[in-house]
Amino acid sequence: NAGVTQTPKFQVLKTGQSMTLQCAQDMNHEYMSWYRQDPGMGLRLIHYSVGAGITDQGEVPNGYNVSRSTTEDFPLRLLSAAPSQTSVYFCASGTTGYGYTFGSGTRLTVV
Amino acid sequence: GDSVTQMEGPVTLSEEACLTINCTYTATGYPSLFWYVQYPGEGLQLLLKATKADDKGSNKGFEATYRKETTSFHLEKGSVQVSDSAVYFCALTNTGGFKTIFGAGTRLFVKA
Repeated sequence: NAGVTQTPKFQVLKTGQSMTLQCAQDMNHEYMSWYRQDPGMGLRLIHYSVGAGITDQGEVPNGYNVSRSTTEDFPLRLLSAAPSQTSVYFCASGTTGYGYTFGSGTRLTVV
Repeated sequence: GDSVTQMEGPVTLSEEACLTINCTYTATGYPSLFWYVQYPGEGLQLLLKATKADDKGSNKGFEATYRKETTSFHLEKGSVQVSDSAVYFCALTNTGGFKTIFGAGTRLFVKA
């Protein structure tokens, strides 16, 4: 089925560990983004990309890296996990004016 | 900077009641406006959109009208169902851009 695929769905990390959250879309969308969702705070933009090879920071980029080598894939890297990064992470893709398609999310716990 | 403000929840209604969730925004230029819905344990789904002033977006019985004079995009439904219980997010994307700013979300509970 067409859409946005995120893996893994759940992850527990120890403080200081690194990991990559995967995101792939098969709709040929030029725009992709990563959000984190925390209780009472809505969605906050971490990083976004307007096309392969182009990325930029959102509201809360510290502690995260991204790259966009292909149109389809937009992985999010946690460099050194901290308890403050415990959250639900959503990847989304879209085109101008049409809104986003979201993945089902990755629930990350850092202990 | 751009921002979106939604009414705080939770909103609790009985089945068949009328729903209004208020949303106001601050943005430069002419943003596109969206409502998304999130059911428990799922990602967000686009519910409806409007791309210019006075446009009305509608879907599944929900409606919202882009009001530039009041910078608002309130979500309405005439008769809610238990299955409408979810969190609703108002969002904007700036003119010609892709970055989308979300409101904090409003949780709706509908009782049978």
